Amino acid sequence: DGGITQSPKYLFRKEGQNVTLSCEQNLNHDAMYWYRQDPGQGLRLIYYSQIVNDFQKGDIAEGYSVSREKKESFPLTVTSAQKNPTAFYLCASSSAASGGGEQYFGPGTRLTVT
Amino acid sequence: GQQLNQSPQSMFIQEGEDVSMNCTSSSIFNTWLWYKQDPGEGPVLLIALYKAGELTSNGRLTAQFGITRKDSFLNISASIPSDVGIYFCAGHPLTQGGSEKLVFGKGTKLTVNP
Repeated sequence: DGGITQSPKYLFRKEGQNVTLSCEQNLNHDAMYWYRQDPGQGLRLIYYSQIVNDFQKGDIAEGYSVSREKKESFPLTVTSAQKNPTAFYLCASSSAASGGGEQYFGPGTRLTVT
Repeated sequence: GQQLNQSPQSMFIQEGEDVSMNCTSSSIFNTWLWYKQDPGEGPVLLIALYKAGELTSNGRLTAQFGITRKDSFLNISASIPSDVGIYFCAGHPLTQGGSEKLVFGKGTKLTVNP
């Protein structure tokens, strides 16, 4: 089965701790994305990567970091510098052929920081 | 940055009724996508549109790419309880010069009363 997996589904952390969210895809997609979703809000882009070993900041990159060492993996680290980290995090991917459209999403990780 | 105006924000309808929602922008888009998100899950792609004037159906769902390339609408016919969820429009702006970033609307929350 091809798809995008995110783990874990729920994550709890204490304030001041860094936490890494996993995103893996077996769709052979070149591009991967991280979004943040807050209640009643749309999706806001954190980081994206169009190719291995390269990534760009999205609209709300402060307090986050990413790496893209493998085509199928794009982990997101929420650092202690992120002022309001509690949110629903969504990973997505798209093929280069789609020209930016048709992003496919994983099931999401709900992060709660107390 | 780019913005999409999605309306209505929420809809409460009776089972069997038809539903219509739309997205508008002040700038031209190359691609329009419609997603559905169930609570606690990632968005699922419903329909992708790539040409101005294009009308595409997926079961009871029909979406159109506006002639001006600045708007799109989604219709759901004969709604059923499982249509409940949040519907997002998204688009790939013409002005992004090859970037794969999508712009998202804030969503239309649909409630269907049996």
